Amino acid sequence: SQTIHQWPATLVQPVGSPLSLECTVEGTSNPNLYWYRQAAGRGLQLLFYSVGIGQISSEVPQNLSASRPQDRQFILSSKKLLLSDSGFYLCAWSPPYRNSPLHFGNGTRLTVT
Amino acid sequence: SQQGEEDPQALSIQEGENATMNCSYKTSINNLQWYRQNSGRGLVHLILIRSNEREKHSGRLRVTLDTSKKSSSLLITASRAADTASYFCATGATSYGKLTFGQGTILTVHP
Repeated sequence: SQTIHQWPATLVQPVGSPLSLECTVEGTSNPNLYWYRQAAGRGLQLLFYSVGIGQISSEVPQNLSASRPQDRQFILSSKKLLLSDSGFYLCAWSPPYRNSPLHFGNGTRLTVT
Repeated sequence: SQQGEEDPQALSIQEGENATMNCSYKTSINNLQWYRQNSGRGLVHLILIRSNEREKHSGRLRVTLDTSKKSSSLLITASRAADTASYFCATGATSYGKLTFGQGTILTVHP
Protein backbone atom coordinates (compact mmCIF):
# COMPACT_ATOMS: atom_id res chain seq x y z
CA SER A 1 0.00 0.00 0.00
CA GLN A 2 1.03 3.58 -0.55
CA THR A 3 2.19 5.79 2.28
CA ILE A 4 3.30 9.38 2.52
CA HIS A 5 5.74 10.68 5.09
CA GLN A 6 6.13 14.33 5.95
CA TRP A 7 8.46 15.80 8.53
CA PRO A 8 8.96 17.46 10.87
CA ALA A 9 5.52 17.62 12.48
CA THR A 10 6.21 20.96 14.13
CA LEU A 11 8.87 23.58 13.57
CA VAL A 12 9.64 26.93 15.18
CA GLN A 13 12.06 29.08 13.24
CA PRO A 14 13.26 32.68 13.61
CA VAL A 15 12.65 35.24 10.91
CA GLY A 16 15.43 35.19 8.33
CA SER A 17 16.38 31.56 8.90
CA PRO A 18 16.27 28.93 6.13
CA LEU A 19 13.61 26.26 5.79
CA SER A 20 13.57 22.72 4.46
CA LEU A 21 10.51 20.50 4.69
CA GLU A 22 10.68 17.03 3.23
CA CYS A 23 8.03 14.70 1.92
CA THR A 24 8.44 11.17 0.61
CA VAL A 25 5.99 8.71 -0.88
CA GLU A 26 6.28 4.93 -0.80
CA GLY A 27 4.52 2.21 -2.72
CA THR A 28 3.86 4.05 -5.97
CA SER A 29 5.76 5.27 -9.00
CA ASN A 30 5.67 8.56 -10.87
CA PRO A 31 3.18 10.23 -8.54
CA ASN A 32 2.06 13.81 -8.92
CA LEU A 33 3.24 15.70 -5.84
CA TYR A 34 1.84 18.82 -4.22
CA TRP A 35 2.60 21.33 -1.49
CA TYR A 36 -0.37 23.12 0.05
CA ARG A 37 -0.50 25.70 2.82
CA GLN A 38 -3.41 26.07 5.20
CA ALA A 39 -3.91 29.20 7.27
CA ALA A 40 -5.89 29.23 10.51
CA GLY A 41 -7.39 25.77 9.92
CA ARG A 42 -9.35 26.92 6.91
CA GLY A 43 -8.97 26.57 3.15
CA LEU A 44 -5.91 25.17 1.44
CA GLN A 45 -3.77 27.16 -0.96
CA LEU A 46 -1.82 25.25 -3.60
CA LEU A 47 1.82 26.35 -3.54
CA PHE A 48 3.62 23.96 -5.89
CA TYR A 49 2.94 20.82 -7.85
CA SER A 50 5.14 18.44 -9.77
CA VAL A 51 4.39 15.83 -12.41
CA GLY A 52 7.95 14.47 -12.60
CA ILE A 53 11.55 14.74 -11.43
CA GLY A 54 12.78 18.30 -11.80
CA GLN A 55 9.38 19.52 -13.03
CA ILE A 56 7.97 22.13 -10.64
CA SER A 57 5.04 24.44 -11.21
CA SER A 58 4.53 27.38 -8.90
CA GLU A 59 1.04 28.56 -8.23
CA VAL A 60 1.70 31.55 -6.03
CA PRO A 61 4.70 33.90 -6.16
CA GLN A 62 6.22 33.91 -2.71
CA ASN A 63 9.24 33.44 -0.54
CA LEU A 64 9.25 29.67 -1.04
CA SER A 65 10.63 27.21 -3.57
CA ALA A 66 10.21 23.50 -4.21
CA SER A 67 12.37 20.78 -5.64
CA ARG A 68 11.89 17.17 -6.66
CA PRO A 69 15.31 15.50 -6.68
CA GLN A 70 13.89 11.97 -6.82
CA ASP A 71 10.68 10.45 -8.15
CA ARG A 72 9.06 10.15 -4.73
CA GLN A 73 10.70 13.01 -2.86
CA PHE A 74 9.40 16.56 -2.69
CA ILE A 75 11.12 19.33 -0.77
CA LEU A 76 9.83 22.76 0.22
CA SER A 77 12.48 25.38 0.94
CA SER A 78 13.09 28.97 1.80
CA LYS A 79 16.33 30.88 2.05
CA LYS A 80 14.96 33.44 4.50
CA LEU A 81 11.69 32.94 6.36
CA LEU A 82 9.18 35.74 6.87
CA LEU A 83 6.58 36.01 9.62
CA SER A 84 3.91 35.52 6.95
CA ASP A 85 5.33 32.07 6.14
CA SER A 86 3.82 30.70 9.35
CA GLY A 87 1.13 28.12 8.72
CA PHE A 88 0.28 24.48 8.29
CA TYR A 89 2.07 22.92 5.32
CA LEU A 90 0.66 19.82 3.73
CA CYS A 91 2.29 17.52 1.21
CA ALA A 92 0.09 15.33 -0.97
CA TRP A 93 0.40 12.87 -3.83
CA SER A 94 -1.96 11.58 -6.50
CA PRO A 95 -1.70 8.97 -9.25
CA PRO A 96 -0.56 10.45 -12.57
CA TYR A 97 -3.97 10.67 -14.21
CA ARG A 98 -7.05 12.86 -14.07
CA ASN A 99 -9.95 12.51 -11.69
CA SER A 100 -7.83 10.99 -8.98
CA PRO A 101 -7.96 11.81 -5.26
CA LEU A 102 -5.17 13.42 -3.30
CA HIS A 103 -3.51 11.60 -0.42
CA PHE A 104 -2.17 13.90 2.25
CA GLY A 105 0.61 13.68 4.77
CA ASN A 106 0.01 14.69 8.37
CA GLY A 107 1.37 18.18 7.83
CA THR A 108 4.03 20.43 9.35
CA ARG A 109 3.04 23.23 11.69
CA LEU A 110 5.52 26.05 11.01
CA THR A 111 5.76 29.02 13.36
CA VAL A 112 8.08 31.83 12.38
CA THR A 113 9.02 34.01 15.35
CA SER B 1 -8.40 32.35 -5.30
CA GLN B 2 -10.82 29.87 -3.76
CA GLN B 3 -13.12 28.10 -6.20
CA GLY B 4 -15.37 26.21 -3.84
CA GLU B 5 -17.33 27.86 -1.08
CA GLU B 6 -18.90 25.71 1.61
CA ASP B 7 -22.06 26.52 3.47
CA PRO B 8 -22.58 26.63 6.38
CA GLN B 9 -19.22 27.62 7.84
CA ALA B 10 -20.07 25.74 11.01
CA LEU B 11 -22.69 23.12 11.86
CA SER B 12 -23.56 21.72 15.27
CA ILE B 13 -25.86 18.70 15.59
CA GLN B 14 -26.72 15.84 17.92
CA GLU B 15 -25.59 12.28 17.40
CA GLY B 16 -28.00 10.38 15.17
CA GLU B 17 -29.04 13.44 13.19
CA ASN B 18 -28.15 13.99 9.55
CA ALA B 19 -25.61 16.62 8.52
CA THR B 20 -25.80 18.42 5.20
CA MET B 21 -23.04 20.60 3.82
CA ASN B 22 -23.16 22.53 0.57
CA CYS B 23 -20.48 23.63 -1.85
CA SER B 24 -20.69 26.12 -4.69
CA TYR B 25 -18.10 26.73 -7.35
CA LYS B 26 -17.60 29.16 -10.21
CA THR B 27 -15.98 27.53 -13.23
CA SER B 28 -16.35 24.31 -15.21
CA ILE B 29 -15.00 21.21 -13.53
CA ASN B 30 -13.99 17.63 -14.34
CA ASN B 31 -14.73 16.37 -10.87
CA LEU B 32 -15.60 17.47 -7.36
CA GLN B 33 -14.18 15.85 -4.26
CA TRP B 34 -14.95 15.96 -0.56
CA TYR B 35 -12.31 15.69 2.13
CA ARG B 36 -12.36 15.45 5.88
CA GLN B 37 -9.80 16.94 8.27
CA ASN B 38 -9.50 16.16 11.95
CA SER B 39 -7.96 18.93 14.02
CA GLY B 40 -4.25 19.33 13.36
CA ARG B 41 -4.11 16.48 10.87
CA GLY B 42 -3.88 16.02 7.12
CA LEU B 43 -6.93 15.75 4.90
CA VAL B 44 -8.54 12.41 4.13
CA HIS B 45 -10.32 11.82 0.85
CA LEU B 46 -13.98 10.85 1.25
CA ILE B 47 -15.59 10.72 -2.15
CA LEU B 48 -15.11 11.86 -5.74
CA ILE B 49 -17.93 12.63 -8.13
CA ARG B 50 -17.30 13.22 -11.81
CA SER B 51 -18.92 16.03 -13.75
CA ASN B 52 -21.17 13.57 -15.63
CA GLU B 53 -22.49 12.02 -12.42
CA ARG B 54 -25.37 13.37 -10.37
CA GLU B 55 -25.24 11.32 -7.19
CA LYS B 56 -22.84 9.03 -5.42
CA HIS B 57 -22.96 7.01 -2.21
CA SER B 58 -20.29 5.66 0.09
CA GLY B 59 -21.43 4.13 3.36
CA ARG B 60 -23.21 6.88 5.31
CA LEU B 61 -22.13 9.51 2.80
CA ARG B 62 -24.24 10.78 -0.06
CA VAL B 63 -22.94 13.36 -2.51
CA THR B 64 -24.94 15.15 -5.16
CA LEU B 65 -23.68 17.33 -7.97
CA ASP B 66 -25.68 19.86 -9.98
CA THR B 67 -23.44 21.24 -12.71
CA SER B 68 -26.17 23.59 -13.98
CA LYS B 69 -26.18 25.31 -10.58
CA LYS B 70 -22.47 24.73 -9.99
CA SER B 71 -23.19 23.23 -6.62
CA SER B 72 -22.72 20.03 -4.63
CA SER B 73 -23.93 18.72 -1.30
CA LEU B 74 -22.54 16.21 1.16
CA LEU B 75 -24.99 14.39 3.40
CA ILE B 76 -23.78 12.39 6.38
CA THR B 77 -26.57 10.22 7.73
CA ALA B 78 -26.93 9.02 11.31
CA SER B 79 -23.99 11.12 12.44
CA ARG B 80 -21.64 10.03 15.20
CA ALA B 81 -19.42 11.98 17.57
CA ALA B 82 -16.46 10.61 15.61
CA ASP B 83 -17.70 12.52 12.54
CA THR B 84 -16.67 15.76 14.24
CA ALA B 85 -14.17 17.36 11.84
CA SER B 86 -13.80 19.97 9.11
CA TYR B 87 -15.14 19.04 5.71
CA PHE B 88 -13.81 20.54 2.48
CA CYS B 89 -14.97 20.41 -1.08
CA ALA B 90 -12.38 20.60 -3.82
CA THR B 91 -12.79 21.01 -7.53
CA GLY B 92 -10.61 19.59 -10.26
CA ALA B 93 -10.50 21.37 -13.60
CA THR B 94 -8.33 20.60 -16.58
CA SER B 95 -4.92 20.01 -15.06
CA TYR B 96 -3.81 16.67 -13.70
CA GLY B 97 -4.69 16.36 -10.04
CA LYS B 98 -4.70 20.06 -9.27
CA LEU B 99 -7.52 20.80 -6.87
CA THR B 100 -8.92 24.06 -5.61
CA PHE B 101 -10.27 23.85 -2.07
CA GLY B 102 -13.06 25.74 -0.37
CA GLN B 103 -12.91 27.22 3.12
CA GLY B 104 -14.53 24.23 4.75
CA THR B 105 -17.42 23.47 7.08
CA ILE B 106 -16.67 22.75 10.73
CA LEU B 107 -18.99 19.96 11.87
CA THR B 108 -19.50 19.27 15.55
CA VAL B 109 -21.53 16.22 16.54
CA HIS B 110 -22.56 16.16 20.20
CA PRO B 111 -22.91 12.76 21.88
